[in-house]
Amino acid sequence: QKEVEQNSGPLSVPEGAIASLNCTYSDRVSQSFFWYRQYSGKSPELIMSIYSNGDKEDGRFTAQLNKASQYVSLLIRDSQPSDSATYLCAVNIGGATNKLIFGTGTLLAVQP
Amino acid sequence: SAVISQKPSRDICQRGTSLTIQCQVDSQVTMMFWYRQQPGQSLTLIATANQGSEATYESGFVIDKFPISRPNLTFSTLTVSNMSPEDSSIYLCSAGLMNTEAFFGQGTRLTVV
Repeated sequence: QKEVEQNSGPLSVPEGAIASLNCTYSDRVSQSFFWYRQYSGKSPELIMSIYSNGDKEDGRFTAQLNKASQYVSLLIRDSQPSDSATYLCAVNIGGATNKLIFGTGTLLAVQP
Repeated sequence: SAVISQKPSRDICQRGTSLTIQCQVDSQVTMMFWYRQQPGQSLTLIATANQGSEATYESGFVIDKFPISRPNLTFSTLTVSNMSPEDSSIYLCSAGLMNTEAFFGQGTRLTVV
């Protein structure tokens, strides 16, 4: 089992819709979870971090964490064509070792 | 957030040679990491750069091939040694504080011919 898993997509949504991106992880002691956005040819850009169970909202983005289910998600409301990118879930694996492991990424395509 | 400068941004190298990539952070950070991203793939952690001591390598990566230095809290280098075309990839430096978000440099696009 991979440490961090995501559906590779592509996930296609119409402009204005809600895009839902999902991620599961295997390490139960993980405490820190992140979503990065990566445009083609660019380096990853942090868009959300979440450390406790529940929802965290920042503008059009909402991160959701459920540690019991080992599940973290990202919702993008009012999706725009400029949101089209690969979204990478990252998990801080192993507590004290503090290494960030990435999922395979989900390609999001927002159709105008 | 930390601003991370990485250089070179790209290079084309002959097989059998070595390339050293530099990473400079604008503030003191606890953690520095080196990742590789092959075309169309996600990020694979190569190693954690430890200040003043040997780096901690992930499975499949060895010090002889990817020697790493970190002489202080804000600077690290990754060398790709004895390169082959299979080493063609994007190499990314990442830095941050313990158990918090990490930020990335702009990456080094390496092509080995």
